[in-house]
Amino acid sequence: AQRVTQPEKLLSVFKGAPVELKCNYSYSGSPELFWYVQYSRQRLQLLLRHISRESIKGFTADLNKGETSFHLKKPFAQEEDSAMYYCALTPLNTDKLIFGTGTRLQVFP
Amino acid sequence: DTGVSQNPRHKITKRGQNVTFRCDPISEHNRLYWYRQTLGQGPEFLTYFQNEAQLEKSRLLSDRFSAERPKGSFSTLEIQRTEQGDSAMYLCASSTTSGLTGELFFGEGSRLTVL
Repeated sequence: AQRVTQPEKLLSVFKGAPVELKCNYSYSGSPELFWYVQYSRQRLQLLLRHISRESIKGFTADLNKGETSFHLKKPFAQEEDSAMYYCALTPLNTDKLIFGTGTRLQVFP
Repeated sequence: DTGVSQNPRHKITKRGQNVTFRCDPISEHNRLYWYRQTLGQGPEFLTYFQNEAQLEKSRLLSDRFSAERPKGSFSTLEIQRTEQGDSAMYLCASSTTSGLTGELFFGEGSRLTVL
């Protein structure tokens, strides 16, 4: 079964602290993985894709196939990072996204 | 605003009534998706279109739900004989096959409340 698990509903940190939002997936093949973000009163939007190996707004995510994980990390959290973060996967040969339940990140000043 | 547009933004209806939501995708996007999101959950895939063809429909989608994209542009999602369990945010998204895989552009959603 295709499944994305985000074990934390809420993660609270202080500004400048490191952040790691956890994501584990279940998929028999080689999926493509993504992080989407929804800031307050804004639309859900793509943050980053594992295949691009990019850093966006200081966030990075490494695909660990052995642990079937795709955790999102940032070394120094900023208040503007406060948002809802969703991990998602796309099964091979489709453009359909399967989302996790999301983690709310709160960054306190 | 050239983003994905959804109407109405809010709909309150009584159980048993039919409701229809409309989605206008980004104009050059040939793929259109419908998702449903309930409180505390991530978006759940319902169906998607490439141009006017409905390519996939979730097995979770009951027969009361139907979606169309007649001319490959806007899409409608109709829910017949609504039930309280249909209360949710209905999200539309669009993408282009020439774009990055998995990069969907979402609308603001249509919130349905069934009394």
